[in-house]
Amino acid sequence: KNEVEQSPQNLTAQEGEFITINCSYSVGISALHWLQQHPGGGIVSLFMLSSGKKKHGRLIATINIQEKHSSLHITASHPRDSAVYICAVISNFGNEKLTFGTGTRLTIIP
Amino acid sequence: DTGVSQNPRHKITKRGQNVTFRCDPISEHNRLYWYRQTLGQGPEFLTYFQNEAQLEKSRLLSDRFSAERPKGSFSTLEIQRTEQGDSAMYLCASSLQGSSYTDTQYFGPGTRLTVL
Repeated sequence: KNEVEQSPQNLTAQEGEFITINCSYSVGISALHWLQQHPGGGIVSLFMLSSGKKKHGRLIATINIQEKHSSLHITASHPRDSAVYICAVISNFGNEKLTFGTGTRLTIIP
Repeated sequence: DTGVSQNPRHKITKRGQNVTFRCDPISEHNRLYWYRQTLGQGPEFLTYFQNEAQLEKSRLLSDRFSAERPKGSFSTLEIQRTEQGDSAMYLCASSLQGSSYTDTQYFGPGTRLTVL
């Protein structure tokens, strides 16, 4: 079992729909990242959070440390949101490396 | 600052050849990370540096792989005697260690390696 699991693996939705991507992890963490990866490889950090909720534009990320679960929400989805969304955690064992989920491929249809 | 840069962006090589990739982090960042991503998978940690010191290496980093960051600025990742299984995207990221050690990592565009 991977330390970081994401669901769904693939998600196709119509433009305007509310999108939720889930991430569960099995280790103690000091922080969790949500990353966006476009075709060609470029990765952009969307959020880093260790508790509660963060919002940036149409993106909202939440984390429940007790349940070891995080969600990424996209409101009013748009075709330009189509990308792979990756959850990654930093464990609280003292090293700083990111452990990644396998990603969720999101396709928004106009 | 233009962010993290990596060169080359693409590399095609024959099995058995050596390859070297370069990563230039954001200038004031003291931490630099190397990750590898194969098709359809999330990235996997390879190694990281704080300044010029290599602090951790993954089990994925066989003895054919070596990484350096000689002056605490740019880093190189060399793969000797490449194998087809080394074909992947090699990603570099950098961060600035602050009062909290959970600093955002900024990623480069990656180097896509194809071993024929």
